[in-house]
Amino acid sequence: DGGITQSPKYLFRKEGQNVTLSCEQNLNHDAMYWYRQDPGQGLRLIYYSQIVNDFQKGDIAEGYSVSREKKESFPLTVTSAQKNPTAFYLCASSIGGAGADTQYFGPGTRLTVL
Amino acid sequence: QKEVEQNSGPLSVPEGAIASLNCTYSDRGSQSFFWYRQYSGKSPELIMSIYSNGDKEDGRFTAQLNKASQYVSLLIRDSQPSDSATYLCAAPFSGGYNKLIFGAGTRLAVHP
Repeated sequence: DGGITQSPKYLFRKEGQNVTLSCEQNLNHDAMYWYRQDPGQGLRLIYYSQIVNDFQKGDIAEGYSVSREKKESFPLTVTSAQKNPTAFYLCASSIGGAGADTQYFGPGTRLTVL
Repeated sequence: QKEVEQNSGPLSVPEGAIASLNCTYSDRGSQSFFWYRQYSGKSPELIMSIYSNGDKEDGRFTAQLNKASQYVSLLIRDSQPSDSATYLCAAPFSGGYNKLIFGAGTRLAVHP
């Protein structure tokens, strides 16, 4: 089955801890994205990557880091510098290239700070 | 600041009625628009995309786009309780790259 997987589904973090959220896709998409969603709010873009070994900050990149070493994978690290990380994290991918195309979402990771 | 605005709702409609969801956007350069449905606790799933002025129909769903008024809507005919969800409107950021700007979503409740 083609799709996007995220793990873990639920994640608990202690204060001062870094945690890494996994995102893998087998759709052969070039572009990948990370969003954060807080209760009752829309999606806010954290980081995006148009191609392997390249990524750009989104609207709320502070306290987060990413890597794109493989086309299929785009892990997100939530660092201790992110002061309010409790949220629902969504990874998405799209074919990429010029113009906007459809983004497809993974099932999400719910992060809670203890 | 590029924005996409939606009425947060909840929009409550009886089963079988037409639900009308509205969205306005600020970036006149946007060329394509997307409607996603998000059930509580789940990730968004694509309902429809629309690129040209006018209507686009897919089953019970119709998307309407008016670029002059910077307005896009989603109509759901014969609404079912299973349509109860939050509907997110998204428009691309015309400044480059493949970025979408999402509205905060409209919560739809279809009651029997």
